[in-house]
Amino acid sequence: DIQMTQSPSSLSASVGERVTITCRASQSINSYLNWYQQKPGKAPKLLIYGASNLQSRVPSRFSGSESPTDFTLTISSLQPEDFATYYCQQSYTTPYTFGQGTKLEIK
Amino acid sequence: QVQLVQSGAEVKKPGSSVKVSCKTSRDTFSVYAISWVRQAPGQGLEWMGGILPLIKTTNYAQTFQGRLTMTTDESTTTAYMELTSLRSEDTAVYYCATRTTAGGYFDHWGQGTLVTVSS
Repeated sequence: DIQMTQSPSSLSASVGERVTITCRASQSINSYLNWYQQKPGKAPKLLIYGASNLQSRVPSRFSGSESPTDFTLTISSLQPEDFATYYCQQSYTTPYTFGQGTKLEIK
Repeated sequence: QVQLVQSGAEVKKPGSSVKVSCKTSRDTFSVYAISWVRQAPGQGLEWMGGILPLIKTTNYAQTFQGRLTMTTDESTTTAYMELTSLRSEDTAVYYCATRTTAGGYFDHWGQGTLVTVSS
């Protein structure tokens, strides 16, 4: 199975700050990397698919990018509603696997 | 608009089975694969498997082989996930989600069904 490793596991930040979350796959997944946001008691919400494509109706402050070894989710200017847990997920091959999550908290 | 509506919370005894439903529309049934993802309390997300609703082709995670069955009912456009031989570690919220066949991402989710396994 492909292992997905996210960092950091938790993060404290202030409204207006720029934050980045990183995800690394244990093997090549091309660009089959997706990002989700989950708030307590709610289902996950797709933010980014195919490493860098913004899902419909997701604010443009969210962006995704990739380098040869890592994938990155960036929130350019944190808003109060962005405090949540974020997960990466590879859809290159089954079993589809998720990162362990990054909990973004208010500083 | 894609909507997935799941059945209500369940409490089950160890060793028993649970069947969770996920109702959607005919358009969704025709276009998407349906996957099931679970989340144990305070834990991350775990993909369980998926089904192509109209041709009923399934793909299960090895972790659940032998205990998991996914089915669909075209007449009611409902997908089902049945897990047998339940143990306490199966206590989780179970989500159905649509998966695009091209990109493999989960773009619409049900509201989740809490399954509690307790003696």
